Amino acid sequence: DAGITQSPRHKVTETGTPVTLRCHQTENHRYMYWYRQDPGHGLRLIHYSYGVKDTDKGEVSDGYSVSRSKTEDFLLTLESATSSQTSVYFCAISGPPGGGDNEQFFGPGTRLTVL
Amino acid sequence: QKEVEQNSGPLSVPEGAIASLNCTYSDRGSQSFFWYRQYSGKSPELIMFIYSNGDKEDGRFTAQLNKASQYVSLLIRDSQPSDSATYLCAVSSSGNTPLVFGKGTRLSVIA
Repeated sequence: DAGITQSPRHKVTETGTPVTLRCHQTENHRYMYWYRQDPGHGLRLIHYSYGVKDTDKGEVSDGYSVSRSKTEDFLLTLESATSSQTSVYFCAISGPPGGGDNEQFFGPGTRLTVL
Repeated sequence: QKEVEQNSGPLSVPEGAIASLNCTYSDRGSQSFFWYRQYSGKSPELIMFIYSNGDKEDGRFTAQLNKASQYVSLLIRDSQPSDSATYLCAVSSSGNTPLVFGKGTRLSVIA
């Protein structure tokens, strides 16, 4: 496991509430990513970061924001949760040590349910 | 829109057989190619990557890349029931570009 943890692992929330998911890594990887995985859609990139305070949008960024104030933490915020954001969220990392820039390793995931 | 296509399966093979998983991609500029294995309820696990045309072998796994045909495959020799999982193909166009994933092929190895 590439030293990646996600919290919480499970969350149930109500429509309209803000939600923040945390990804924490311990091995000083440069790149961090947030994906969602839904049946029939596969893994889709939400946002990614290529350094502290450097982030960019992915394919499905609407309704999500991110922040990376230090190397080890990448936060994903659902500004006002909707039922369409019910999903499994995966964090991933890449960049040395131990791998190339593209070799991504995934965290354990967070299962989010929005009622 | 960069796309990665995989047959969703399920692909069923008997124990001990060779499983062949295929993937095509739309971006001719793609440079890096990855195979992930995902067990039900778990996160994707990187099992192979390939950057050059040809074959790359690692244990029972062989990745094959044909950039001219925009085609990448994964062969699993001596398939075991423990290989039953969904296999995700992922592609990147350069060193700093995020991966684009296919939707995965579900493999079932029958004992």
